[in-house]
Formats: sequence, structure tokens, C-alpha cells
Amino acid sequence: EVQLVESGGGLVQPGRSLRLSCAASGFTFDDYAMHWVRQAPGKGLEWVSGISWNSGSIGYADSVKGRFTISRDNAKNSLYLQMNSLRAEDTALYYCAKGPSKLVTHNWFDPWGQGTLVTVSS
Amino acid sequence: DIVMTQSPDSLAVSLGERATINCKSSQSVLYSSNNKNYLAWYQQKPGQPPKLLIYWASTRESGVPDRFSGSGSGTDFTLTISSLQAEDVAVYYCQQYYSTPPVTFGPGTKVDIK
Repeated sequence: EVQLVESGGGLVQPGRSLRLSCAASGFTFDDYAMHWVRQAPGKGLEWVSGISWNSGSIGYADSVKGRFTISRDNAKNSLYLQMNSLRAEDTALYYCAKGPSKLVTHNWFDPWGQGTLVTVSS
Repeated sequence: DIVMTQSPDSLAVSLGERATINCKSSQSVLYSSNNKNYLAWYQQKPGQPPKLLIYWASTRESGVPDRFSGSGSGTDFTLTISSLQAEDVAVYYCQQYYSTPPVTFGPGTKVDIK
């Protein structure tokens, strides 16, 4: 069974940093692109970042570009999101999601993890 | 970026009746080289992550009941639930993956029982 388990969320002050992790199992991790998608409380879905199978191609939403860094460790079947200079508007449930191929472009997402909550507040 | 809109914002349908959700993209998501529409649909039940229902606008994901169907091409798409069941109460999102990054989602349509 494909499983994605996020961790690392919590309450953080504006301007501080946080690192999210996503542990993957049940599939050949380095055969697929991976993504982070977030959902602010009571709101819709916003794609945050994606990374190709070999980290050779990476993309970011304009809202996080320059502040967030996505990475992966294929040996550990893990995906990461380093979040710096956090703002109140970054408060959301952050989901890890698997793409359908090795490439980071033209991806739908299946499956999604349960998410990890990031709250940015003083 | 491609902007996705959905209508209605919410709808209430009687059990066993048809539910229809519309999704519109600000530009075509039909790729002429392969004649495929780069459009997916998701279902999100309260307290759960989104679940993929349909991709390529009309291809049902494995395990998704056949009462769910997707149609449309270019800029206009529809998700139809042919006979609404109680377990279908959820928010439904469309997503384009034609012009990426970024992928973009519609704002969601909430489906309830009348």
C-alpha cells in the first residue's frame, strides 16, 4: 500500500524557519516526482513546490519562491520542505503528494498524505 | 498562470439524484499533440486529504465508483455524480496540469444532501 506520512509541523513565530518531512513507502520512491500542496484553514488547495525523481527539475509557487526549498533523499525514501522567513499567510495544512511519473511537469497527485499543520503566529 | 473557476460554489442534491459540477480554465488545457485534456478532479471529505477521482478529464482512477464521470474539452469541463450517495458529501476540486509549474486548482464545490 502506498503511504505518505508528513511530519515537522508546529507553531512557529513569523520570520522563523521550519523543516517538513514526508516519509514514503509502498512504491519505488525514485521512480516518481513528488510535491507539496497546502491548504489554509477552511480554504482551497494551493500547490507549493514539486521535485523530479532525481532532483534535476524543481518548481515553486511564486508565493514561496526564495523562501522555501524542496529536496529529497531517495536513499531514505523521504521528501523535505525547508521553510524560511515564515509569514502568517503560510499557516496551512501541508500535504505531501506523489506525481504520476518521474517528471515534475504535467502532474496530477495521487495519493496524498494526511498532512502536517504549520501555524505561523507570534 | 491558468486560472480555474468552478460553479456552483455549493449544491444540495437528493439521494439518488444527479449532481453536476462545472470547471472552467482561463485558457485551453487541451494539448494538441496528443489530444489530451490536462485536467483532474479530486474529492475531499471533511478531515481527510484530497482523493484523486479522474485524470485526463475523463479517465476514472482505479477503484472510483462508476457513478463518477468526467467530461469536457478545451476550457470547459464537468464532473457528474450520476446517483448521489451519502458518502459522496464532500468538496470537489478541479486541477489543471497543462501549464506547470504551477499546477492550479479550482476553488472547490461543496456537495451536500438535500
